[in-house]
Amino acid sequence: GQQLNQSPQSMFIQEGEDVSMNCTSSSIFNTWLWYKQDPGEGPVLLIALYKAGELTSNGRLTAQFGITRKDSFLNISASIPSDVGIYFCARAGITSYGKLTFGQGTILTVHP
Amino acid sequence: EAGVTQFPSHSVIEKGQTVTLRCDPISGHDNLYWYRRVMGKEIKFLLHFVKESKQDESGMPNNRFLAERTGGTYSTLKVQPAELEDSGVYFCASSHLQSNEKLFFGSGTQLSVL
Repeated sequence: GQQLNQSPQSMFIQEGEDVSMNCTSSSIFNTWLWYKQDPGEGPVLLIALYKAGELTSNGRLTAQFGITRKDSFLNISASIPSDVGIYFCARAGITSYGKLTFGQGTILTVHP
Repeated sequence: EAGVTQFPSHSVIEKGQTVTLRCDPISGHDNLYWYRRVMGKEIKFLLHFVKESKQDESGMPNNRFLAERTGGTYSTLKVQPAELEDSGVYFCASSHLQSNEKLFFGSGTQLSVL
């Protein structure tokens, strides 16, 4: 089936640093989604991208839908301790938009 | 507005036993999904309800898994009999019909089969 390759698998950074993670696929997608999962909670939608080249921000988060429609990145600027968690990229299903395919996740640890 | 709620939050059972997980979606959300994350792997789709109808159950691992959504409100996912490889976190998510891809997830049920 369709797979998303998400990297890096984990990151250990100092508070205040910027973070970047990305997702790639061999197939073209129409929708990229970025979710964050806090410990003990379910994933929460951070940003949704619908057009190739689209750049969208949500506070300190910025995500872009790649021009080729096969990749996306998520940047977090000036990280803070509450940014800790697992970040997942996902693509929406073609016929059923809620049938998401997820990347493997990026575990982010922020040291104060 | 209450979010998606799941019960129990944790379940520890022995191989061969039966477990039933429950999900209460956000009120008014016709779409309801079940997903599962096995340790160290990605979150994977199990099935999709639209109201009380199963729209897509292509992700269900095998016939030991049975999902229901009687009346189009809450949903249950029963595993009978449970096997070791069924261990993982089971997430429920819901969404409006009009914004299908914007899923709201519950906190999940951590299932451990010993």
